[in-house]
Amino acid sequence: SQKIEQNSEALNIQEGKTATLTCNYTNYSPAYLQWYRQDPGRGPVFLLLIRENEKEKRKERLKVTFDTTLKQSLFHITASQPADSATYLCALRGRGSTLGRLYFGRGTQLTVWP
Amino acid sequence: DGGITQSPKYLFRKEGQNVTLSCEQNLNHDAMYWYRQDPGQGLRLIYYSQIVNDFQKGDIAEGYSVSREKKESFPLTVTSAQKNPTAFYLCASSIVPTGNQPQHFGDGTRLSIL
Repeated sequence: SQKIEQNSEALNIQEGKTATLTCNYTNYSPAYLQWYRQDPGRGPVFLLLIRENEKEKRKERLKVTFDTTLKQSLFHITASQPADSATYLCALRGRGSTLGRLYFGRGTQLTVWP
Repeated sequence: DGGITQSPKYLFRKEGQNVTLSCEQNLNHDAMYWYRQDPGQGLRLIYYSQIVNDFQKGDIAEGYSVSREKKESFPLTVTSAQKNPTAFYLCASSIVPTGNQPQHFGDGTRLSIL
């Protein structure tokens, strides 16, 4: 069966450190992978998209990698701040799947403490 | 400001009652989606619509119904046939129904049983 797994339910790190979140998938062949941030009681907000032929994508303090051999994406937040505390979701679209369908992981709750 | 508006923010349903959740977008997006989010679970797709007057079932459509009579509106009805409706419901839209475009989310409706 198809599965998307995000490394752990919760990740706690100290301010200033780099947070690394993992998204692993099985039985998918995604053409695109997206990362979202969700705050409590709010809807997810899009952060980054990476294509299967891209190894890495950056946006300010955020970096995403995509390894189709390992079937894994890593999401990094450098110089983390308490304001980065949120749940981060990965989502992917399988090649050949119904247009617009995204499959979401359960998310990793990140807490950055001062 | 453009965005997606979901209402109400909180909704209570009595046994045997149908309730309708509103979703309106002024982003001029073609595609719209309804997801259900339960604690510790990823977003699960209920229904999606790629264009006006057309919609498809997602993974958990039983007990739900939708309509797409206008581009900007995609209401979701939770029927009495849905035996476990307590959840956080999220509406989203994207410019076109392809996986290389981000989805924009509303801030959700939390539905509870009285």
